[in-house]
Amino acid sequence: GQQVMQIPQYQHVQEGEDFTTYCNSSTTLSNIQWYKQRPGGHPVFLIQLVKSGEVKKQKRLTFQFGEAKKNSSLHITATQTTDVGTYFCAGGAGAQKLVFGQGTRLTINP
Amino acid sequence: DAGVIQSPRHEVTEMGQEVTLRCKPISGHDYLFWYRQTMMRGLELLIYFNNNVPIDDSGMPEDRFSAKMPNASFSTLKIQPSEPRDSAVYFCASSPPTGVNTEAFFGQGTRLTVV
Repeated sequence: GQQVMQIPQYQHVQEGEDFTTYCNSSTTLSNIQWYKQRPGGHPVFLIQLVKSGEVKKQKRLTFQFGEAKKNSSLHITATQTTDVGTYFCAGGAGAQKLVFGQGTRLTINP
Repeated sequence: DAGVIQSPRHEVTEMGQEVTLRCKPISGHDYLFWYRQTMMRGLELLIYFNNNVPIDDSGMPEDRFSAKMPNASFSTLKIQPSEPRDSAVYFCASSPPTGVNTEAFFGQGTRLTVV
């Protein structure tokens, strides 16, 4: 079945450093979504990318969708302590079905 | 809207007992998903419904697991009999009808511990 791999599994940074997580799918995706889960919380939707090569920004967050629609990345510039959490990518597998990556857990040293 | 509502928030049960998790999706959403989250396996899709009809249950681990959606505002996930390896956080999520935005709205989750 379809698999979505996400790396790294963990990332620890100093506050102010940048952070990037990468997502790769075994098949072409209809769309890619990104979610953030705070410790003890539930996944919360951040953004959806649909077009090949699409780039979207939300303040310090930059999201990219690969040209082949099989990979994606999330980059955070100048991390803040509020960025702590686990970031998940989720690949659209048709008819609203999402396949989630394993997530990247981000911790930050203030 | 109050969002996706799950109950109970925490459940501790003994091995062999029946467990029922409940979910109320956001009004107007016609997709409902049940996910299980563990450290080892991450977020796994168990089953999802469209307009109350199960579409894909390929993620349901065993016959001990069953899910129903009797109407548009209620769904249950039942485990019978429960086993310690079923311990996890179970999330329900809903999403609006197919369109441009297909984001999933998650409930707070039910933390299940089987002892």
